[in-house]
Amino acid sequence: KAGVTQTPRYLIKTRGQQVTLSCSPISGHRSVSWYQQTPGQGLQFLFEYFSETQRNKGNFPGRFSGRQFSNSRSEMNVSTLELGDSALYLCASSSTTGTSVYNEQFFGPGTRLTVL
Amino acid sequence: AQTVTQSQPEMSVQEAETVTLSCTYDTSESDYYLFWYKQPPSRQMILVIRQEAYKQQNATENRFSVNFQKAAKSFSLKISDSQLGDAAMYFCAYREYGNKLVFGAGTILRVKS
Repeated sequence: KAGVTQTPRYLIKTRGQQVTLSCSPISGHRSVSWYQQTPGQGLQFLFEYFSETQRNKGNFPGRFSGRQFSNSRSEMNVSTLELGDSALYLCASSSTTGTSVYNEQFFGPGTRLTVL
Repeated sequence: AQTVTQSQPEMSVQEAETVTLSCTYDTSESDYYLFWYKQPPSRQMILVIRQEAYKQQNATENRFSVNFQKAAKSFSLKISDSQLGDAAMYFCAYREYGNKLVFGAGTILRVKS
């Protein structure tokens, strides 16, 4: 099975622009979660989508949004970019919504976003 | 809100020796899940080991084992027979509702040959 893929792998944007990141989960997985990783704040949960519905949301401003399509692929969008949005954005896919410790989340390689 | 604390920013171990990484967490729940993830320089997060809170028995996965102390809210990772490939950032994580993971700040593990 192919792993979780994220595109693009690297992205450079300027302040005020918007950006869309994509995540394709492992085939058959219906849950996709997004995380932001920065040196200062560490790994922080953004949101989780399951069967096209947002199940949970982290403590991020409304500039961060996401969606999930019927094929389980997910996108996250950041509008009006700020310098502080520079980070590694990781997505993780899972077959279900976490009812068992054996419901493993598989992470993608991440998208490195740099905001200038 | 649940919090996860890793008090060791960096650790070193000699190849073939044993090292223990510390993790404490705070929660009011009685049943929950804990994980250790490894993030090598490639940045790919890899699950190392998992523990279900209601199980008293400590989880083991080959050279990796945990010391789970529920009352103390402690979840340490022991790596035996350390190898050069174990060098990475290690994150302790608590799983909340659904698939939300709350991560600690991480511990950089260096392995000396």
